[in-house]
Amino acid sequence: EAQVTQNPRYLITVTGKKLTVTCSQNMNHEYMSWYRQDPGLGLRQIYYSMNVEVTDKGDVPEGYKVSRKEKRNFPLILESPSPNQTSLYFCASSFSRGNTEAFFGQGTRLTVV
Amino acid sequence: ILNVEQSPQSLHVQEGDSTNFTCSFPSSNFYALHWYRWETAKSPEALFVMTLNGDEKKKGQISATLNTKEGYSYLYIKGSQPEDSATYLCAPMNYGGSQGNLIFGKGTKLSVKP
Repeated sequence: EAQVTQNPRYLITVTGKKLTVTCSQNMNHEYMSWYRQDPGLGLRQIYYSMNVEVTDKGDVPEGYKVSRKEKRNFPLILESPSPNQTSLYFCASSFSRGNTEAFFGQGTRLTVV
Repeated sequence: ILNVEQSPQSLHVQEGDSTNFTCSFPSSNFYALHWYRWETAKSPEALFVMTLNGDEKKKGQISATLNTKEGYSYLYIKGSQPEDSATYLCAPMNYGGSQGNLIFGKGTKLSVKP
């Protein structure tokens, strides 16, 4: 089954404790991205990757890192999480950058206390 | 960053009603327009990807039109059912540089009462 898998689904952590949210897709998609969803705002892009070893900042990259060592995986790293990073996070992948549909992971609900 | 406006913000209709929403976006350097359906506690799912001015797409009772010259897209639902209750997101994309990514609107939340 074609899918984007995120882990964990839920996470409560403390300020400053490094964490990684994993994202994996099995559709051989080149384009992957991370979004955050906050109340009253649309999905906002954090980082994106056009292909292996090619990553770039989205609209709200501060406090996040990503890597794309393999085509299927695109982890999101929070080196020192802060409460303002409490949010719902989605990973998405698509065959190309904008003219093909995006497939979303199940979402990760992160709370930083 | 693109300014994407969706209206209305929310909509309550009765089962069987037909409804429509609007997505407005800057028309310059248009590349593509996506519509997604997002049910509560689930992930957004793609409905349509539209690229041509005048494009019209249909999936079941849901259809969408696109006007790239004036910068808007309409989503129509004919004969709404309770299972159509969801938030509908539009996401345009323009050419070039940092604008070359999908920018999501805040969505229109549809509630269909039985």
